[in-house]
Amino acid sequence: AQTVTQSQPEMSVQEAETVTLSCTYDTSESDYYLFWYKQPPSRQMILVIRQEAYKQQNATENRFSVNFQKAAKSFSLKISDSQLGDAAMYFCAYRRNNAGNMLTFGGGTRLMVKP
Amino acid sequence: ETGVTQTPRHLVMGMTNKKSLKCEQHLGHNAMYWYKQSAKKPLELMFVYSLEERVENNSVPSRFSPECPNSSHLFLHLHTLQPEDSALYLCASSPTPRGTGELFFGEGSRLTVL
Repeated sequence: AQTVTQSQPEMSVQEAETVTLSCTYDTSESDYYLFWYKQPPSRQMILVIRQEAYKQQNATENRFSVNFQKAAKSFSLKISDSQLGDAAMYFCAYRRNNAGNMLTFGGGTRLMVKP
Repeated sequence: ETGVTQTPRHLVMGMTNKKSLKCEQHLGHNAMYWYKQSAKKPLELMFVYSLEERVENNSVPSRFSPECPNSSHLFLHLHTLQPEDSALYLCASSPTPRGTGELFFGEGSRLTVL
């Protein structure tokens, strides 16, 4: 079974600075997808960024980028120029290919942004 | 305004009560999901519904009973729950059951079992 581990229960960052959230996963599959979801205090979770395992290039979405290390099974999220609105729970998730949208989530990291 | 609406937002019930959680999506999607979010635990997929199939997590107790009357509505019927069932229950939808992995979530129903 696949597992997703987020080793940082909480992180804090100063506004305008950069922070990196860690995620590791365990799988025997070679073709899969990885995701970072954000859950703000209002609790509606939204997709931040997605990475296909077959792509070597790291995904980027504006201030959000990932460092995908397939051999190490590591998938970290970097948030640049942090903003107060980035404060939220961040969840790393895994989905093997052809498995529908049944995602396996990590335990989450709470990110606090200091003004 | 969210495209996935869950009601009620908060529910307190006794262990002998019967209640239901409702989810409605206004996005024209064809797959819907129930997730359980407990404190200090990863989100747990409970059920998946689509036109093609119903998938359920075998670890979900039978005191949780899903119902999906059409592609826009999803219910979670609750009966004889236990205090450990207290959690945030999240509904989500996606355009298809085998898409890109992007799920659209509601704001959740916070359930407290006394």
